[in-house]
This record gives sequence, structure tokens and C-alpha cells, in this order.
Amino acid sequence: GENVEQHPSTLSVQEGDSAVIKCTYSDSASNYFPWYKQELGKGPQLIIDIRSNVGEKKDQRIAVTLNKTAKHFSLHITETQPEDSAVYFCAASGYSSASKIIFGSGTRLSIRP
Amino acid sequence: KAGVTQTPRYLIKTRGQQVTLSCSPISGHRSVSWYQQTPGQGLQFLFEYFSETQRNKGNFPGRFSGRQFSNSRSEMNVSTLELGDSALYLCASSTRGAVEETQYFGPGTRLLVL
Repeated sequence: GENVEQHPSTLSVQEGDSAVIKCTYSDSASNYFPWYKQELGKGPQLIIDIRSNVGEKKDQRIAVTLNKTAKHFSLHITETQPEDSAVYFCAASGYSSASKIIFGSGTRLSIRP
Repeated sequence: KAGVTQTPRYLIKTRGQQVTLSCSPISGHRSVSWYQQTPGQGLQFLFEYFSETQRNKGNFPGRFSGRQFSNSRSEMNVSTLELGDSALYLCASSTRGAVEETQYFGPGTRLLVL
């Protein structure tokens, strides 16, 4: 079935450094790729998304890149701050999935002061 | 616009009891999906409602059910609670529930079954 793999599962970076989270997907028909941030005690919040007609999208310190040929996409956070500590989920649209979207397993990002 | 709201935020129940959770979608959104989130299993899809009809269903037993009202508010019910039902239950709404639409999540209801 359709699948989204996310790596790494945990990531610890020094404040001010960059963080990169990578995902691969299996369904070549997927064309919508959102990223969610989940803080402790809260629901996942959309932080950025990209569609297949775009290779890269940036919003301040956050950027997402998409390589449709290789079926992978990545989240880049620059100049990390303590408030970036959270669990991040990637996702891909799933045409054969009942949920319409398939989530990765999540990355717990910790920012060291 | 107000976001997705869920009530209650926390619940403690005992095995064998039943529970009803409520979700109010973003105004104008007609699709509501429910997910179960646990540390070991991640985000698992329960079901989706659109225009008061269940449109899709995940792989959960019949003890899990839901409904949607004419104002798009949705409820999910879990009967005969088991210890393994302890989880964060999230609902997400979107305009039409189309594949390429963004789903917006509520804060979740944390259920603890003792």
C-alpha cells in the first residue's frame, strides 16, 4: 500500500544551527505535501505545504524542497530557536487512501540552548 | 476564523464504559476526519464524514462510530472501552475533503481508560 517514510525519528541540534527532516513517499500520483508541527498537548498545526508543480517553497526560516523524480521531500529549518522544539510530521496526498493523506511517523526535534 | 474545536479536552473513563467526543470544524468546512494518535502507532485514521454521511473508514472495530450533524459538527463514540483505547483523539476539517486539500486539526481530546 501507500507509504510515507520519515527520517530521522529524533533530532537534536544546537540553537542557531539548521535542522533537516527527510521523507520519501511511494505513490507517484501524490501531488500535495504538507508539513505539520505538533507541540506538547496540542494538535498538529500546518506549518508549510508544497504542491507538485513547485520544487521549493520558503516561509521565513522554514523551507520545503520536493524531488518528484526521486519521490522525496524535505523540511529545512534555519537559525533554529527553542520554540522550534516539537514533533514534526510530513504527509503526502493519497489517492488510494481512505484518509486522503498519509502521514510519516514523525520526528522529535529538540533544540539545545 | 476560529479554528477546529474539540470537547472535552481530557477524559478519564473505566473499562467497559462508553464515551462521546465532539468536534466543531472551521466555519464553512464540511468534511470532518477523526484520527487516533498513540506513541506506538502514530496517527491512525478512524473515519471521515461529509454532509452527514460517513464517506471513508479506517481499520478500527465497530466499537468506534461517529456521526455528523447538519451544521457539520461531528461526534465520535467509543463503546465498551478497553485499556488500549487510551489515546489522543484528533479531528481535522477541510472544505470538501478532497485529496489535495489541507486538513486543519483541533487540539484533541486526551482519553485515559483505567
